[in-house]
Amino acid sequence: DGGITQSPKYLFRKEGQNVTLSCEQNLNHDAMYWYRQDPGQGLRLIYYSQIVNDFQKGDIAEGYSVSREKKESFPLTVTSAQKNPTAFYLCASSILTGNDGYTFGSGTRLTVV
Amino acid sequence: AQSVAQPEDQVNVAEGNPLTVKCTYSVSGNPYLFWYVQYPNRGLQFLLKYITGDNLVKGSYGFEAEFNKSQTSFHLKKPSALVSDSALYFCAVRKTDKLIFGTGTRLQVFP
Repeated sequence: DGGITQSPKYLFRKEGQNVTLSCEQNLNHDAMYWYRQDPGQGLRLIYYSQIVNDFQKGDIAEGYSVSREKKESFPLTVTSAQKNPTAFYLCASSILTGNDGYTFGSGTRLTVV
Repeated sequence: AQSVAQPEDQVNVAEGNPLTVKCTYSVSGNPYLFWYVQYPNRGLQFLLKYITGDNLVKGSYGFEAEFNKSQTSFHLKKPSALVSDSALYFCAVRKTDKLIFGTGTRLQVFP
């Protein structure tokens, strides 16, 4: 089945650590996105990529980094510079043009311990 | 600028009653409109979309949405609510390459 997979489902980070969240899709989508969701709140765009080896900052990119070395993969690194990383992280993908929406992964819950 | 507004943070409805979750949009040209649902600790799931044609769009789980161009609205509806419909609902509009999401409305259906 085609879909988008995020791993791990739960992740714990110690103060000062970098952690990487995985996002893989087999939908042949060109575009991929990372969102942050805080409890009971909406989605905030962190980074997005429309083509391999290229990506753009979203609204809250500080303290995060991404790479897009393969079309299928768009990992997100939460660096030690992100002072409040505890949140639910959602990855999504889509075709670039047309009238389709996004396909979302099931999310990763990151907690600082 | 393109935007989507969901004016209600929470909607409460009794099981069996009809429900409406409101969404208004602001975008130039013809909009592509979407509704998504999110259950706790899960990703967003696609419910339905409006592209063109009939103003009443039918989607998953018995939901439907009515597109109203003059009022720039795309309200989500269901004739008879279920307790299992309790979730967070997001409206979105697509213009060119990205979706613009509303802030979400929490639907609480009481037995």
